[in-house]
Amino acid sequence: SYELTQAPSVSVSPGQTARITCSGEALSRQFAHWYAQRPGQAPVLVIYQDTERASEIPERFSGSTSGATVTLTISGVQAEDEADYYCQSSDRSGTYVLFGGGTKLTVL
Amino acid sequence: QVLLQESGPGLVKPSETLSLTCIVSGASIPPYYWIWIRQPPGKGLEWIGFINYSGFTNYNPSLSSRVTMSVETSKTHFSLRLTSVTAADTAVYYCARGILVQPSTVPGWYFDVWGRGTLVTVSS
Repeated sequence: SYELTQAPSVSVSPGQTARITCSGEALSRQFAHWYAQRPGQAPVLVIYQDTERASEIPERFSGSTSGATVTLTISGVQAEDEADYYCQSSDRSGTYVLFGGGTKLTVL
Repeated sequence: QVLLQESGPGLVKPSETLSLTCIVSGASIPPYYWIWIRQPPGKGLEWIGFINYSGFTNYNPSLSSRVTMSVETSKTHFSLRLTSVTAADTAVYYCARGILVQPSTVPGWYFDVWGRGTLVTVSS
């Protein structure tokens, strides 16, 4: 399979927990990675290999996995977390790179 | 600190060839993978392809007939060529560094350093 599916948008109030999911057949065999992209900026690696937090990423960001679905959780959301979040993986054979369609996180 | 900087024309005519270079500073080409990704205005990320330090390449099947990537190990830069461009190729083009996931029974990559991106517009 060559698809990763994300919900187009998620909205939360400051201080609440945001959960952004990504699903796809490839995720049952491949690691998932997450990127945050603020308007007008390049994407930034947030989580790699399902659960590892990238350098200088706050502890409120965490990743988890269950079967063919991975979840990015942001605990105690702050206004600065408002961004588009993309999941990324590879196909089951490890030939191609896949991106999800992105989820726009709005902090109300 | 590793920095990547895309360079190339911001305007390309339809049917012509888009050529971009990514200059790498603060790191050497080996042993990493080097990636091109693009993002059409208002849309999501699209993987174009990657090249590694030995010149091994892999391209997005939807673009493979028009894409060529090359690497200059001694000069710490790598390049992208996309032929026969159309308006659909208008996008911000990013270069990035790819890390092979470990441990794993099949290859996979994540991208830990990105350039700032360069907007390429295809128009006459």
